Amino acid sequence: EIVLTQSPGTLSLSPGERGTVSCRASQSVTSSLLAWYQQKPGQAPRLLIYAASNRAAGTPDRFSGSGSGTDFTLTISRLEPEDFAVYYCQQYGDSRYTFGQGTKLEIK
Amino acid sequence: EVRLVESGGGLVQPGRSLRLSCKVTGFIFENNAMSWVRQAPGKGLEWVGFIGSKAYGGTTEYAASVKGRFTVSRDDSKSVAYLQMNSLKTEDTAVYYCTRLDGYLGLDYWGLGTLVTVSS
Repeated sequence: EIVLTQSPGTLSLSPGERGTVSCRASQSVTSSLLAWYQQKPGQAPRLLIYAASNRAAGTPDRFSGSGSGTDFTLTISRLEPEDFAVYYCQQYGDSRYTFGQGTKLEIK
Repeated sequence: EVRLVESGGGLVQPGRSLRLSCKVTGFIFENNAMSWVRQAPGKGLEWVGFIGSKAYGGTTEYAASVKGRFTVSRDDSKSVAYLQMNSLKTEDTAVYYCTRLDGYLGLDYWGLGTLVTVSS
């Protein structure tokens, strides 16, 4: 199975700053079928980005995704208070889907 | 409005079985693949398994941690997906989420989850 490793584990930033989360795959992700999800405490995860760089319906344009092959990035251009949450990457190009371990974005 | 509502969670002893259900409204269930994802208390997300639509043969696939113990199935006439969990272990304790699976969008709709606690 494809192992996804996210970094950093925790990101401490202030509102208005730029946030970047990395997701590295143990092997190439087929067709860049990699998604990013946001999860807030007590809530179900929510799809933010699909196929590496496409914003899902309702995702603000301050969120962007990039990358291909084994290296992917989620960028939040200017952090809003509601963006502080846990973020997960997930690959679905291989039939055995896998998630990264998560990155907690916390207020500094 | 799309809704996925899980049910069937609860407290179960190790070695026993439990079946979760996921009732779907708001999209044409029979045309879509469905997946289950779980989250142990305080931990990250773990994909459990999926079932394809009948048009794609109803193919199933599972995570190694549950293969041979868990089975995903569907009843298109009722718009319900199921997760049959056998030989439960304490490490299966988690919130179980039902999701719609799209081959390009990924897991685009999620239920609120149902808690399964495996304990003696």
